[in-house]
Amino acid sequence: NAGVTQTPKFRILKIGQSMTLQCAQDMNHNYMYWYRQDPGMGLKLIYYSVGAGITDKGEVPNGYNVSRSTTEDFPLRLELAAPSQTSVYFCASSSPAGWGLNTEAFFGQGTRLTVV
Amino acid sequence: GENVEQHPSTLSVQEGDSAVIKCTYSDSASNYFPWYKQELGKGPQLIIDIRSNVGEKKDQRIAVTLNKTAKHFSLHITETQPEDSAVYFCAASTGGFKTIFGAGTRLFVKA
Repeated sequence: NAGVTQTPKFRILKIGQSMTLQCAQDMNHNYMYWYRQDPGMGLKLIYYSVGAGITDKGEVPNGYNVSRSTTEDFPLRLELAAPSQTSVYFCASSSPAGWGLNTEAFFGQGTRLTVV
Repeated sequence: GENVEQHPSTLSVQEGDSAVIKCTYSDSASNYFPWYKQELGKGPQLIIDIRSNVGEKKDQRIAVTLNKTAKHFSLHITETQPEDSAVYFCAASTGGFKTIFGAGTRLFVKA
């Protein structure tokens, strides 16, 4: 039972390069999220998805894109990487208990990204 | 905008003592309040949660209290152990997809 799996764990990018952070969950959760965590800060929501084919912006979406072609996968794309995108990125998934009722979010182990 | 304030940012206690972390939220529509523990190099993991129709919840050495009138909720850890050392995050959710996290509290438990 893998839960939420993120790859890679670490990555160094040069300014202007692009990359995709991979996220997969095997719990059949409808909801998936991407957060970034900066030192001394809480988690900030980048994008989220309520199901395959449906995505929406969170608090800090600029510079990122996502897609959700399957229930299991939710990749995050960085185009034209900038130093401000240096952060730890977490993917999470959840399955609401009912309309308007949030439940536990399960997090991956994170991807530490440095842009130089 | 909506936010969650968390205090203290760092907390150091002696093994066996209690630890209390406090959070205040701004959105009165918040109805779900999870607490997450993040160990070094890992993702956050839920340790306890409470919904707005409950004032207190306990799970062994961990308890959470909620005061909806004051928009305030707290995490209490009793009989702390070295393995409790981690970063703890509170969060407030209105349902839907908006969950706001606090900035985190780094807890050190000294043996």
